[in-house]
Amino acid sequence: TQLLEQSPQFLSIQEGENLTVYCNSSSVFSSLQWYRQEPGEGPVLLVTVVTGGEVKKLKRLTFQFGDARKDSSLHITAAQPGDTGLYLCAGGDSWGKLQFGAGTQVVVTP
Amino acid sequence: EAEVAQSPRYKITEKSQAVAFWCDPISGHATLYWYRQILGQGPELLVQFQDESVVDDSQLPKDRFSAERLKGVDSTLKIQPAELGDSAMYLCASSRGRGPLTGELFFGEGSRLTVL
Repeated sequence: TQLLEQSPQFLSIQEGENLTVYCNSSSVFSSLQWYRQEPGEGPVLLVTVVTGGEVKKLKRLTFQFGDARKDSSLHITAAQPGDTGLYLCAGGDSWGKLQFGAGTQVVVTP
Repeated sequence: EAEVAQSPRYKITEKSQAVAFWCDPISGHATLYWYRQILGQGPELLVQFQDESVVDDSQLPKDRFSAERLKGVDSTLKIQPAELGDSAMYLCASSRGRGPLTGELFFGEGSRLTVL
């Protein structure tokens, strides 16, 4: 059972379009991380957010942590084929345990 | 660039056989994790070590799975006997910190297990 619910499960868009991926939970997390995973490889960290309401930008990616630290979103502006991958959110508790959502598969076609 | 090393990369075995996976974390990383990822799902934590001690193994099926990190460096995950439902990617990750400050997890490429 995944404590973190990610939506949508799958997203297919054209190059240049924008997209938003959501991560929701009924639990409060000490921190929330976003990873991207490509086929046959392990996940790679994109960002860590720790403060409720925090917004972080990484080039065309914008990450937001909800005020109550239960939810988060990832917004990609002008998506490129290189953005294709499985986007995973992961919530951390006070013991350092990290639990992952099921992920959103993003496909960006040229 | 330092990486988390895992072996084997691929393993095919028959049910009821024993299988073992090895992980060498990034040097100096105190915390080591084993995750299982079934196709189409997110990684599920099996066991977390801090140095040589188990911090969390609540999701580890202890009747058939075991994990150790004897000297607080590399780690082995064993399955005996393997079952069809164990087919998955087994990911090892490490992080520098301890407790709530574990920080970024660095993942290996994983060991893909197929049980026939």
